[in-house]
Amino acid sequence: GENVEQHPSTLSVQEGDSAVIKCTYSDSASNYFPWYKQELGKGPQLIIDIRSNVGEKKDQRIAVTLNKTAKHFSLHITETQPEDSAVYFCAASRSTGTASKLTFGTGTRLQVTL
Amino acid sequence: NAGVTQTPKFRVLKTGQSMTLLCAQDMNHEYMYWYRQDPGMGLRLIHYSVGEGTTAKGEVPDGYNVSRLKKQNFLLGLESAAPSQTSVYFCASSYSGGETGELFFGEGSRLTVL
Repeated sequence: GENVEQHPSTLSVQEGDSAVIKCTYSDSASNYFPWYKQELGKGPQLIIDIRSNVGEKKDQRIAVTLNKTAKHFSLHITETQPEDSAVYFCAASRSTGTASKLTFGTGTRLQVTL
Repeated sequence: NAGVTQTPKFRVLKTGQSMTLLCAQDMNHEYMYWYRQDPGMGLRLIHYSVGEGTTAKGEVPDGYNVSRLKKQNFLLGLESAAPSQTSVYFCASSYSGGETGELFFGEGSRLTVL
């Protein structure tokens, strides 16, 4: 089965700096890579995703890059703000056509300090 | 909009007791999932359903049962709770499971088994 590794487990940055979270996956057939943000006491929420036919995707201050050859993908947050503080999860799956059987990474706790 | 609602939010059980977690979604989603979240282990899929009346095993199904009698509800049961089942449980739903499988999560149910 798929195995997703995520690093770092914790990340502290100053407000305004950039943050990068990296994930690697094992199944070369995986082609869908979402990122979820979990705020304290809440369920995870999708913030951005990328599919294997795309190398990079941006949405305002958030970007995701994918390197299929190396089987890794990364989340980039620029100009970090206190509200970016949360736990971030990467995930990977094949498009099975039956269910989103995502395999999640172990999470990165991002703290943005003033 | 309610989205995905989980009840109860907190529960303490003694070893050997049984209980049921209820998940309800009002988005008319076909797919529903139960995950457990443990420190350092991310989110792991317990069971899922691709439609009313169907269920399937995920990554960690042992000790749990599920039912999907109505499209909007997905129940997770523990017949004989064990301390290893102490965790935060998240229900999720999605419109489709293939190409566009964004998961919508509930706020979680924290279960402690003594």
